[in-house]
Amino acid sequence: GEDVEQSLFLSVREGDSSVINCTYTDSSSTYLYWYKQEPGAGLQLLTYIFSNMDMKQDQRLTVLLNKKDKHLSLRIADTQTGDSAIYFCAESPAVYNQGGKLIFGQGTELSVKP
Amino acid sequence: NAGVMQNPRHLVRRRGQEARLRCSPMKGHSHVYWYRQLPEEGLKFMVYLQKENIIDESGMPKERFSAEFPKEGPSILRIQQVVRGDSAAYFCASSPIGGKGYEQFFGPGTRLTVL
Repeated sequence: GEDVEQSLFLSVREGDSSVINCTYTDSSSTYLYWYKQEPGAGLQLLTYIFSNMDMKQDQRLTVLLNKKDKHLSLRIADTQTGDSAIYFCAESPAVYNQGGKLIFGQGTELSVKP
Repeated sequence: NAGVMQNPRHLVRRRGQEARLRCSPMKGHSHVYWYRQLPEEGLKFMVYLQKENIIDESGMPKERFSAEFPKEGPSILRIQQVVRGDSAAYFCASSPIGGKGYEQFFGPGTRLTVL
């Protein structure tokens, strides 16, 4: 089946690193994504990783993928108050890879305290 | 190049009325997806359309909900006889021909409140 799980809340201090975790069930997923949603706004794609990779770094963001455990994480270095938002993990199962749906987790609310 | 546009941004309906949500994809995009976000939940896929075709409607409720993407004009998500449980944010995303998940760009959403 298709299911994506995330912890609901994370609180960190400004300047610390944040690590948001996600587990997924569909081993056929070829792409995994991290989206950011600010209050009252739509979703912004932060980064994505192809399933044949185990790490991807993009400025302050590091994505780690453990395909054996179906575990994805997003690390935000030097977290700022502007990073406060809800972060969604998503997968696109292989059968849908020709332009189909995304399966989202329930979101992790990141709170950054000054 | 304008992004994905949705209107209205906020919609209030009374139980039993109809709600029409519009989505204009990015220029050059011919694939549209609709997702629903219930309060404090993640987004759930509803339907995937190409121009004049429904490709995947596996996430659409069986009754009262319909979607279209005509040859000309925006995609429309229509909810007939709304109930309180339809209150949610409805997001549209678009992608270019043959797009993959990372090429789905999201609109700002329509927040539907059913009184």
